[in-house]
Amino acid sequence: EPEVTQTPSHQVTQMGQEVILRCVPISNHLYFYWYRQILGQKVEFLVSFYNNEISEKSEIFDDQFSVERPDGSNFTLKIRSTKLEDSAMYFCASTRQVQETQYFGPGTRLLVL
Amino acid sequence: AQSVTQLGSHVSVSEGALVLLRCNYSSSVPPYLFWYVQYPNQGLQLLLKYTSAATLVKGINGFEAEFKKSETSFHLTKPSAHMSDAAEYFCAVSEGSFQKLVFGTGTRLLVSP
Repeated sequence: EPEVTQTPSHQVTQMGQEVILRCVPISNHLYFYWYRQILGQKVEFLVSFYNNEISEKSEIFDDQFSVERPDGSNFTLKIRSTKLEDSAMYFCASTRQVQETQYFGPGTRLLVL
Repeated sequence: AQSVTQLGSHVSVSEGALVLLRCNYSSSVPPYLFWYVQYPNQGLQLLLKYTSAATLVKGINGFEAEFKKSETSFHLTKPSAHMSDAAEYFCAVSEGSFQKLVFGTGTRLLVSP
């Protein structure tokens, strides 16, 4: 069964460093999402992406964040200058049609020191 | 904006007992509603979803949920808990043109022998 994959599974970085989190959505899916879950808190929406552009973003998704679909298969989330409060589990999700089920990847646990 | 309330951050049951996890949503218009499960160190897996077709929705692993518009509730139930049901359960509602998911705070289900 097709699944969403994410790499790396864990990433440790120093405050102020750039990180890129990678996702490979299910191949025939058209809508892509990033969510994050700070430890002990609920899962929060960051951004949605369709037709090679951001369709919606949350207040969390400020200028330090960007997303890209560089090659038609990968979907990346970049944090330019990480902060301590960026430490969280980041989930990628995808769906074929917007009203269909979103399938989630296993997540990348980011720790900013 | 939509919101989801999950009563009880932790629910403990004995193996074989009824499982009841509560979820209330805020929308005045019947939304799409979801229950996701997160096993330790894994991503989010869809248990079931309500899309206005039937008020009683059956999902995987013997779980079901009933949509009650009058109570704005979508509680998750399973007649008989199994040890393997121990996990974190998230209720979510979709919002906006691109159907981002708005999650509740989650309920950790503990199953004792």
